[in-house]
Amino acid sequence: EAGVTQFPSHSVIEKGQTVTLRCDPISGHDNLYWYRRVMGKEIKFLLHFVKESKQDESGMPNNRFLAERTGGTYSTLKVQPAELEDSGVYFCASRLGNNNSPLHFGNGTRLTVT
Amino acid sequence: AQSVSQHNHHVILSEAASLELGCNYSYGGTVNLFWYVQYPGQHLQLLLKYFSGDPLVKGIKGFEAEFIKSKFSFNLRKPSVQWSDTAEYFCAVNAASGTYKYIFGTGTRLKVLA
Repeated sequence: EAGVTQFPSHSVIEKGQTVTLRCDPISGHDNLYWYRRVMGKEIKFLLHFVKESKQDESGMPNNRFLAERTGGTYSTLKVQPAELEDSGVYFCASRLGNNNSPLHFGNGTRLTVT
Repeated sequence: AQSVSQHNHHVILSEAASLELGCNYSYGGTVNLFWYVQYPGQHLQLLLKYFSGDPLVKGIKGFEAEFIKSKFSFNLRKPSVQWSDTAEYFCAVNAASGTYKYIFGTGTRLKVLA
């Protein structure tokens, strides 16, 4: 099966610009997660979709971050306007609806805000 | 709130040495526990998981982990490491019920010298 794919793999933008990250989960995976890792720190939870609904968005840092999953397939994470502290690697993961199913991760998007 | 602590940030071993990576979590209820591994240039992948039953779980590539409930620990072990085990290892936990938000530790970077 095709894995979780993320685009772009790298993005370098200036402070104040907008960036949109995309995640295509494994087909049939209702659960989709976004995580972020700032260098040397933990992989931090951002939010969790079940199909097109936000199940838990308690990890979203502030209202400059907007995640969508229209139609319950792919998801986008938009950062507008970007700040220096938003730099990091953004991971997407998906899993089946069975609560014992493991997370499958994408390769991540490395975002650098200068 | 749930949290995960990985006490070893960097570990360097020679081939054939034994490995033990520490993981402690903070959560009062029933948990599911995981170890994920990220090899250089690859995505995070599941190494092993514990949901219930035998507290000693075996994963891929000769890894095992032991859940000690009284110590809130889930340490990862391998009797004899190989150069190909060079990677970053992440411990993760989620509540066995509820939102299934996975919480990750800061990771342990393992380097195995040939």
